[in-house]
Amino acid sequence: ETGVTQSPTHLIKTRGQQVTLRCSSQSGHNTVSWYQQALGQGPQFIFQYYREEENGRGNFPPRFSGLQFPNYSSELNVNALELDDSALYLCASSLDRGKGSPLHFGNGTRLTVT
Amino acid sequence: SQKIEQNSEALNIQEGKTATLTCNYTNYSPAYLQWYRQDPGRGPVFLLLIRENEKEKRKERLKVTFDTTLKQSLFHITASQPADSATYLCALESTGGYQKVTFGTGTKLQVIP
Repeated sequence: ETGVTQSPTHLIKTRGQQVTLRCSSQSGHNTVSWYQQALGQGPQFIFQYYREEENGRGNFPPRFSGLQFPNYSSELNVNALELDDSALYLCASSLDRGKGSPLHFGNGTRLTVT
Repeated sequence: SQKIEQNSEALNIQEGKTATLTCNYTNYSPAYLQWYRQDPGRGPVFLLLIRENEKEKRKERLKVTFDTTLKQSLFHITASQPADSATYLCALESTGGYQKVTFGTGTKLQVIP
């Protein structure tokens, strides 16, 4: 069983730039959720993708967008980066929108915006 | 607004003792409550899930209680070991069209040999 993998592990960008983060879900999982974790805080829900469609969204602006592919892997895109976007971005997979079931997290991408 | 509170201060306990971590919530009616462990630089790892109609759940040295009247969950690690040192996150999930899990800020546990 392959776990959740994310790439890259670290990234440094300049304010105003755009970034794409990638996630491969655990084998057999068709639902991917993205979280943002600032230093010293708990993860904050960005959005969830199920069968290639956005299934729910947290309190994040439209410059945060995503995609899910037929193999259930996913991308998180952030446009017009701001300094406050510096955080650990976590991807989690689950099965069938995962209600009442555990989230399986990757180890995240550490994004630094300068 | 919805709020999940965990002890922001680190919890230091002696090896072999029972660690008890608290999670309180307000303005929330969770259907499920989960506990995760997170090590520095790593993603959270699922430990236990308890449903709103369950009072207690156990797994090996771990025990979770869930009191929907008090709006509180307690997480216990018995016979604690230095390897249990980590940050522990409480997470709530309500019913709805998608799985939106809301996390607390976590409590850092340090088990001293």
